[in-house]
Amino acid sequence: DAKTTQPTSMDCAEGRAANLPCNHSTISGNEYVYWYRQIHSQGPQYIIHGLKNNETNEMASLIITEDRKSSTLILPHATLRDTAVYYCIVRGLQGAQKLVFGQGTRLTINP
Amino acid sequence: GAVVSQHPSRVICKSGTSVKIECRSLDFQATTMFWYRQFPKQSLMLMATSNEGSKATYEQGVEKDKFLINHASLTLSTLTVTSAHPEDSSFYICSAKRGASGGNEQFFGPGTRLTVL
Repeated sequence: DAKTTQPTSMDCAEGRAANLPCNHSTISGNEYVYWYRQIHSQGPQYIIHGLKNNETNEMASLIITEDRKSSTLILPHATLRDTAVYYCIVRGLQGAQKLVFGQGTRLTINP
Repeated sequence: GAVVSQHPSRVICKSGTSVKIECRSLDFQATTMFWYRQFPKQSLMLMATSNEGSKATYEQGVEKDKFLINHASLTLSTLTVTSAHPEDSSFYICSAKRGASGGNEQFFGPGTRLTVL
């Protein structure tokens, strides 16, 4: 599975949109981009995933560039409860389909 | 939604004892479950992949005789830490994959915090 690169940490003001970038320049054609987050001392929570089209659900939006080498997770109106570590993971369809976690981005929402 | 539970949520044991952690998918069947370990201020590290009715596949560097995994049904996988030592103290998290086809997301349990004295 392709490797991802994320900023170590980010800050965002409460009520503003939080935009979390992720680089995955070695992604292959059949690999999906997944986003999870982990609030302190809890298990990771699924947010969203996509292949090449932009995706939106009740939690967030996922914008994938046309060349698929990078993506951005958007939390449209961040709240204090969105403070967490956000993981961008690229996963293929073959084999065990295991998720390999990198270091993620520690997002802090400030009041 | 898809819910995964773990039991116990936290356990404290003496060095040399064995500890069993259960992972259950409550409202779906999971042919594949995964076990992770997370040390303080570090990311999750995949330990093994557990398939129902077959032997688990362990990641490189993970001792299969120390971390025994059993996936006896489509809703239950167990991880047994045998002869636990203080260095095994960690946050253990399981996840379950719903369905057998590609593209399905994994759902994570709340984690089990193990402290070995």
